[in-house]
Amino acid sequence: AQSVTQPDIHITVSEGASLELRCNYSYGATPYLFWYVQSPGQGLQLLLKYFSGDTLVQGIKGFEAEFKRSQSSFNLRKPSVHWSDAAEYFCAVGNNDMRFGAGTRLTVKP
Amino acid sequence: NAGVTQTPKFQVLKTGQSMTLQCAQDMNHEYMSWYRQDPGMGLRLIHYSVGAGITDQGEVPNGYNVSRSTTEDFPLRLLSAAPSQTSVYFCASIRGSEAFFGQGTRLTVV
Repeated sequence: AQSVTQPDIHITVSEGASLELRCNYSYGATPYLFWYVQSPGQGLQLLLKYFSGDTLVQGIKGFEAEFKRSQSSFNLRKPSVHWSDAAEYFCAVGNNDMRFGAGTRLTVKP
Repeated sequence: NAGVTQTPKFQVLKTGQSMTLQCAQDMNHEYMSWYRQDPGMGLRLIHYSVGAGITDQGEVPNGYNVSRSTTEDFPLRLLSAAPSQTSVYFCASIRGSEAFFGQGTRLTVV
């Protein structure tokens, strides 16, 4: 069965510092992988997605993620975090029956 | 286009009551899903549909029913509400494996 693990429940970084959020997945075939962001009281917004091809994918708001099949990982990165990036981030895998990780809450220190 | 519309936004139910959460999309997507979001657990798939007349169970289907009589609508029914069903419910409409989410329904069962 497909599943997603986000090992970090909560991460705090300083504004301007780099960010990496971890995601590991379990999936029987070539996975479709996603990162979503959720601001408080809001729905989810797609940051980026990987279907095939180049393993480094670029998303909105300066985010990128790298698919590593050998490690079953799809980590999200940003070189310089802004205060507005504080939110909860969800990794997801699958197709029509998409499964989500438990989320990582990002706090940004001034 | 409105995208994905969920109603109501907030609801309080008494234990044992039934109700229907409404979800409508105007993007003509075949695939739709219902998720519940609970703290520390991310989004868990309740039911999904790959087209009108076709539905299937997700990770946590017990206590919920769905039907899909039209492409646009995918209502979620709580048959006999329980406090364990207190949650935020999200409906998603899916195209090309990208999920478009509604704004959510916050349900409290007392």
